[in-house]
Amino acid sequence: QVQLQESGPGLLKPSQTLSLTCTISGGSITRGGHYWSWIRQPAGKGLEWIGRIYSSGGTNYSPSLKGRVTISLDTSKNQFSLKLLSVTAADTAVYFCARFVSSSYYYAMDVWGQGTTVTVSS
Amino acid sequence: QSVLTQAPSASGTPGQRVTISCSGSSSNIGSNSVQWYQHLPGTAPKLLMFNNNQRPSGVPDRFSGSKSGTSASLAIGGLQSEDEAHYYCAAWDESLNGMIFGGGTKLTVL
Repeated sequence: QVQLQESGPGLLKPSQTLSLTCTISGGSITRGGHYWSWIRQPAGKGLEWIGRIYSSGGTNYSPSLKGRVTISLDTSKNQFSLKLLSVTAADTAVYFCARFVSSSYYYAMDVWGQGTTVTVSS
Repeated sequence: QSVLTQAPSASGTPGQRVTISCSGSSSNIGSNSVQWYQHLPGTAPKLLMFNNNQRPSGVPDRFSGSKSGTSASLAIGGLQSEDEAHYYCAAWDESLNGMIFGGGTKLTVL
């Protein structure tokens, strides 16, 4: 059974770079048909999709974050990571990683991590 | 403001049937299938429905989904207190080339 766990600093100052890692257990990050995704939820607000990466390294990002965000893979550690540049208070949120299943007929984020809280404050 | 529109709240009494709606456009729901997620604060969101009306293993058949044109619905029958949660619809948007979520509907079981 695949499980995901987010990790990374919980407190950042404005203008710093947010770096989070998602560790996959119970399955391989290189399995075909699966992307790996990041989603966030600011306090009191809804879910916001950040982006996804395929096992080959191909990525898609939310247009609202494009230019600041990079998602990468470390297949040797069975991990994928999120980097978000020049953070502001608006980036304060709970960050989730998820497995993104893609088929000819549907997409679905079927396995999620528990989430990690990131606060941006001076 | 979310690209997919959901009513912010819904409610029902135990045993009732409740429907949550999600409205989109031709570039998202009109072109791609819809997913629904159940989220309790402080926990991981849970995939409740995919491909418009397919339930992952373990999701009770009290939950059902449908899609028509650029709108989708999630129906919950035989409402239970444990169903009290936030529900989000989601779909791939061809114009944005990314996944989008609705703003979420908070379901209260009275």
